Amino acid sequence: AQSVAQPEDQVNVAEGNPLTVKCTYSVSGNPYLFWYVQYPNRGLQFLLKYITGDNLVKGSYGFEAEFNKSQTSFHLKKPSALVSDSALYFCAVRDGGRAGGFKTIFGAGTRLFVKA
Amino acid sequence: DTAVSQTPKYLVTQMGNDKSIKCEQNLGHDTMYWYKQDSKKFLKIMFSYNNKELIINETVPNRFSPKSPDKAHLNLHINSLELGDSAVYFCASSEGLVSDTQYFGPGTRLTVL
Repeated sequence: AQSVAQPEDQVNVAEGNPLTVKCTYSVSGNPYLFWYVQYPNRGLQFLLKYITGDNLVKGSYGFEAEFNKSQTSFHLKKPSALVSDSALYFCAVRDGGRAGGFKTIFGAGTRLFVKA
Repeated sequence: DTAVSQTPKYLVTQMGNDKSIKCEQNLGHDTMYWYKQDSKKFLKIMFSYNNKELIINETVPNRFSPKSPDKAHLNLHINSLELGDSAVYFCASSEGLVSDTQYFGPGTRLTVL
């Protein structure tokens, strides 16, 4: 069965500093990995995904994530945080094979707070 | 134009009532989903349809029944509402089943009194 873990409930960072939001996963087949962001009272918005190819994936709003197969991780990063980045971030995984039943499993979410 | 829309945005109702939430996507996608987000923000898949065919049917009470009249619409009907059904329900769509990005609607906040 596939699973995804976001070990931090909240990440606090000062504006202008780099940020990292952690994610680890477990799947039996090839992992398809996603990051979504949710602003208050809104639906989730897609940031980036890894399907295959280059381990470093660049996405929206200056975010990037690195796929690390040996550590089964897909951490979200940004070189310089903005106050407007403050939101709830979800990591998600889908098993590329049929074993996952086409389900996307979402992590519990990490609240990012960027202080001015 | 809104890509994935849901109505209503807020729904307040009494226990025991029956209610429906509607979802429409104008992206031409083949796959649509219903998710439930609880008060702790956990997001859980409920149902998924691909080309009007039910693909995912998670362990949800059979009081919840999805209906897909066409590829662009996926509605959720809930019978005999209970207090524990209070949550935010999100509709989403994607081009295909596996590797595709999901596009989420704005959510419907259901409160059962």
